[in-house]
Amino acid sequence: EPEVTQTPSHQVTQMGQEVILRCVPISNHLYFYWYRQILGQKVEFLVSFYNNEISEKSEIFDDQFSVERPDGSNFTLKIRSTKLEDSAMYFCASSENRQETQYFGPGTRLLVL
Amino acid sequence: RKEVEQDPGPFNVPEGATVAFNCTYSNSASQSFFWYRQDCRKEPKLLMSVYSSGNEDGRFTAQLNRASQYISLLIRDSKLSDSATYLCAVWRAGSYQLTFGKGTKLSVIP
Repeated sequence: EPEVTQTPSHQVTQMGQEVILRCVPISNHLYFYWYRQILGQKVEFLVSFYNNEISEKSEIFDDQFSVERPDGSNFTLKIRSTKLEDSAMYFCASSENRQETQYFGPGTRLLVL
Repeated sequence: RKEVEQDPGPFNVPEGATVAFNCTYSNSASQSFFWYRQDCRKEPKLLMSVYSSGNEDGRFTAQLNRASQYISLLIRDSKLSDSATYLCAVWRAGSYQLTFGKGTKLSVIP
């Protein structure tokens, strides 16, 4: 069964450093997403990406964040200068169509010290 | 009012019990509804989509009440392996994102 994959599974970084989280969506999917979940809180939408551009972003997704699809398979989330409050689980998701089920990857646990 | 609300639980039930979760949503433009299951520190995994006519998958039944803006999930004959947090998610027309509730924690006890 096809699945979304993410690397790394864990990342520890110092405050102010840049991190890049990587995702490989399901191959025939056209819509890609990033969500985050702070420990003990709900899953929150960050950004969606379709046709090589951002289609929607939340207020969390400020200028410190960017997304890119550098090739035909990878989808990345970059945090330019990490803050302590960026510590969370980051999930990548993909879907075939806009209204269809979103399938989530296993997540990257980011810890900012 | 929060966009998607769930009773956080925890629900502690014995094996074999029937348990029901509710979820309410505030935006009447919501069009698609899902139940996801999330194990501790893992990703949300789709349990089932929720259709207007209601749908069943084995021991799981989902219902949608558009007039009252809530969805429900019924689990029959609970198994130990059903212990998890159950997330309600809503997709709104004109949007790309899923909006999640905080989840309801279920513990099935031997």
